[in-house]
Amino acid sequence: DAGITQSPRHKVTETGTPVTLRCHQTENHRYMYWYRQDPGHGLRLIHYSYGVKDTDKGEVSDGYSVSRSKTEDFLLTLESATSSQTSVYFCAISPQGTGGLGGNTIYFGEGSWLTVV
Amino acid sequence: AQSVAQPEDQVNVAEGNPLTVKCTYSVSGNPYLFWYVQYPNRGLQFLLKYITGDNLVKGSYGFEAEFNKSQTSFHLKKPSALVSDSALYFCAVRDEGAGSYQLTFGKGTKLSVIP
Repeated sequence: DAGITQSPRHKVTETGTPVTLRCHQTENHRYMYWYRQDPGHGLRLIHYSYGVKDTDKGEVSDGYSVSRSKTEDFLLTLESATSSQTSVYFCAISPQGTGGLGGNTIYFGEGSWLTVV
Repeated sequence: AQSVAQPEDQVNVAEGNPLTVKCTYSVSGNPYLFWYVQYPNRGLQFLLKYITGDNLVKGSYGFEAEFNKSQTSFHLKKPSALVSDSALYFCAVRDEGAGSYQLTFGKGTKLSVIP
């Protein structure tokens, strides 16, 4: 158990509606991430955060925004959901970004299944 | 640029037989290499990682992986497969000098262990 809670775990929404996924961690780790998983693509990074109010874009950030007002919470928002955003979304955490042991292990939550109809 | 390849979409192995899930990588510097396992409708679970040192890395659930620098490979192995090992396996790589967010995943290999 990586101490990560994602909510909601399953959601069906209509095209054009806003959607917010929440990630809550109990590990007090500095780094948090949002990934999406799609068949044939593995996992792709959407956004990440390296501290409160410090966020940056990942590989597939278009159509997504994030916010982190507290160390333990990282929100992913789809401003206007599209069918191409139907996916499984994973939140992840790691204790550091660089340096230290270098091979900082990223730990994943259980996922949020989003269907946009 | 860094990349990772898992050349097999699916691997089938009989219960009790040894299993190997293949992974090759490309980085400009030294690699940090990871294996994760994903069971149906679950998140990814960390299995093991190679940072430096011994080329044979032991991890959870009896899995191990061998780092081969000359072949740029990091294959996952287990001496005796269990039906419960059936899952999706992901290899991931990060260049030594890269940030933790710069973790590149393979597309995954589905392992089926046949009773």
